[in-house]
Amino acid sequence: DAGVIQSPRHEVTEMGQEVTLRCKPISGHDYLFWYRQTMMRGLELLIYFNNNVPIDDSGMPEDRFSAKMPNASFSTLKIQPSEPRDSAVYFCASTSFRDNYEQYFGPGTRLTVT
Amino acid sequence: KQEVTQIPAALSVPEGENLVLNCSFTDSAIYNLQWFRQDPGKGLTSLLLIQSSQREQTSGRLNASLDKSSGRSTLYIAASQPGDSATYLCAVRVPFQGGSEKLVFGKGMKLTVNP
Repeated sequence: DAGVIQSPRHEVTEMGQEVTLRCKPISGHDYLFWYRQTMMRGLELLIYFNNNVPIDDSGMPEDRFSAKMPNASFSTLKIQPSEPRDSAVYFCASTSFRDNYEQYFGPGTRLTVT
Repeated sequence: KQEVTQIPAALSVPEGENLVLNCSFTDSAIYNLQWFRQDPGKGLTSLLLIQSSQREQTSGRLNASLDKSSGRSTLYIAASQPGDSATYLCAVRVPFQGGSEKLVFGKGMKLTVNP
């Protein structure tokens, strides 16, 4: 398996623009997680899905953030409108019972909002 | 609220030393504990996962132990090499609200192994 795939790897956008981050989990994994990493706050869980259904979105900072998982092999995290304080690295991870819930992370998307 | 602490935040050592990285957590109600490695500008690579019922796990030069009752885990790196330089994070998988669960991460420890 190619591992968790994220795109784009880097995104630079202007304040107010819409940003969409994409993730393809490992095939067969039924849990998908979105994290945000900053120097100040470290790694924070934003939202996670089980069998394509959002289970916990309490980490989503505000209504400007939304996430979807239309099928088992694809998820998006959207920020609209983006703000400079959204600048961070966004990671996607996946896991399943067969892997003892060991989470496998993608390479991340480095977002810069100017 | 579960909190995970890693002290010190950074460590610089000469090549060849045996290292102990510490991780502490405030609530012993965990499902498992996972150690990750993160290279600059890269994602997280899982190193070891210890289930709550286990005491330790080993992989090559790495050995991780878990003392759930005292809220501590250590990652032991034998005969450190410059290639071990990275940030090491520990995370605990815990029950969360409404029957869900989450990974709670420490801030990480940046290790530099000097040749």
